[in-house]
Amino acid sequence: NAGVMQNPRHLVRRRGQEARLRCSPMKGHSHVYWYRQLPEEGLKFMVYLQKENIIDESGMPKERFSAEFPKEGPSILRIQQVVRGDSAAYFCASSPTGAGTPQHFGDGTRLSIL
Amino acid sequence: EDQVTQSPEALRLQEGESSSLNCSYTVSGLRGLFWYRQDPGKGPEFLFTLYSAGEEKEKERLKATLTKKESFLHITAPKPEDSATYLCAVQGETGANSKLTFGKGITLSVRP
Repeated sequence: NAGVMQNPRHLVRRRGQEARLRCSPMKGHSHVYWYRQLPEEGLKFMVYLQKENIIDESGMPKERFSAEFPKEGPSILRIQQVVRGDSAAYFCASSPTGAGTPQHFGDGTRLSIL
Repeated sequence: EDQVTQSPEALRLQEGESSSLNCSYTVSGLRGLFWYRQDPGKGPEFLFTLYSAGEEKEKERLKATLTKKESFLHITAPKPEDSATYLCAVQGETGANSKLTFGKGITLSVRP
């Protein structure tokens, strides 16, 4: 069952460290999306990528956060100099095409900042 | 800005007691309305896509309907295994057209 794979499932970092979250889309899917889910809040869009291109990063914080989806390998969400407020569940989704098609989600990475 | 409001926040039903979950939305041109189910510790699982007012989709005990302002997820004769959080999301025509705007979800508990 080649669903969306995210790793690690849980990640603990100390304040000031870097966090790298990885996402392998479903087979045949070239569109990748990252969302963040804070406690007691809904899922919030962060960024939309296709291979080697950022299409929409309107939900990404201006500083410390970056994303990439290289020609080979998984998509990476990178958070530099993490702070307590970055603690959340980060979900990746993929779709075969863009607008109008369902996005299929992985089981997320739970990031905890000490 | 696209907005989604789901109600009620939580719903407790007896097994077999049918009910409906509401999703109200505002969007600049609807490309699609999506329903997901999320179990604790898991990612959202896709259920339905609705594209235009009047459209209906069914799957087992679930039926989703759509109007120009809201969508309903009807649950007929629910079972305990239907207990989960149900998420509604819209995709509008602004920007890159692909981001989903989610509601906060409705937590459904079905007692045996």
